[in-house]
Amino acid sequence: AQSVSQHNHHVILSEAASLELGCNYSYGGTVNLFWYVQYPGQHLQLLLKYFSGDPLVKGIKGFEAEFIKSKFSFNLRKPSVQWSDTAEYFCAVNNYGQNFVFGPGTRLSVLP
Amino acid sequence: EPEVTQTPSHQVTQMGQEVILRCVPISNHLYFYWYRQILGQKVEFLVSFYNNEISEKSEIFDDQFSVERPDGSNFTLKIRSTKLEDSAMYFCASSAYREKSPLHFGNGTRLTVT
Repeated sequence: AQSVSQHNHHVILSEAASLELGCNYSYGGTVNLFWYVQYPGQHLQLLLKYFSGDPLVKGIKGFEAEFIKSKFSFNLRKPSVQWSDTAEYFCAVNNYGQNFVFGPGTRLSVLP
Repeated sequence: EPEVTQTPSHQVTQMGQEVILRCVPISNHLYFYWYRQILGQKVEFLVSFYNNEISEKSEIFDDQFSVERPDGSNFTLKIRSTKLEDSAMYFCASSAYREKSPLHFGNGTRLTVT
């Protein structure tokens, strides 16, 4: 069965620092990859998605992610974080014909 | 504002009571899901629903749980006899297609079982 791991449980950064959150999945084949963000007290919102094509995908709010098939990875990046990026970030994978599997989440705290 | 709506936002119930969590998915979506998130833990899949029947369910989704689409707009999750460990945030989600289609989540219902 598919599993998703996220490298960091809690990341603390200062504003303007660069961000990279790791995500790895266990099972290959055709995968659809997603990053969701959950701001405090709110629902899960889609940041970006990858289905096929260019492995570097751009999402909302300046986020991007790179799909590296050989590493089973889909890391999330942002060159310069803001205080408003403080949230929980979830990587999710959806194999063909299977349901979404979410990673455990990474809590990002951005210090002003 | 999310396009998937859930009610109530917070439900407090006593152990052993039945609860019904309600969801209105996006109107042209065909696939519906329930996920839950115990405080501080990961988002867990409960059940998916398509064409008026369950298409997949997790081991969490035991006989205490049931889902229904009673009309053309609502999608409900019923827990027959709640347990303390059912306390969690329950998220409804919908998607247009089975493949290559992101999940759109509602705001969630926080269920507290006392």
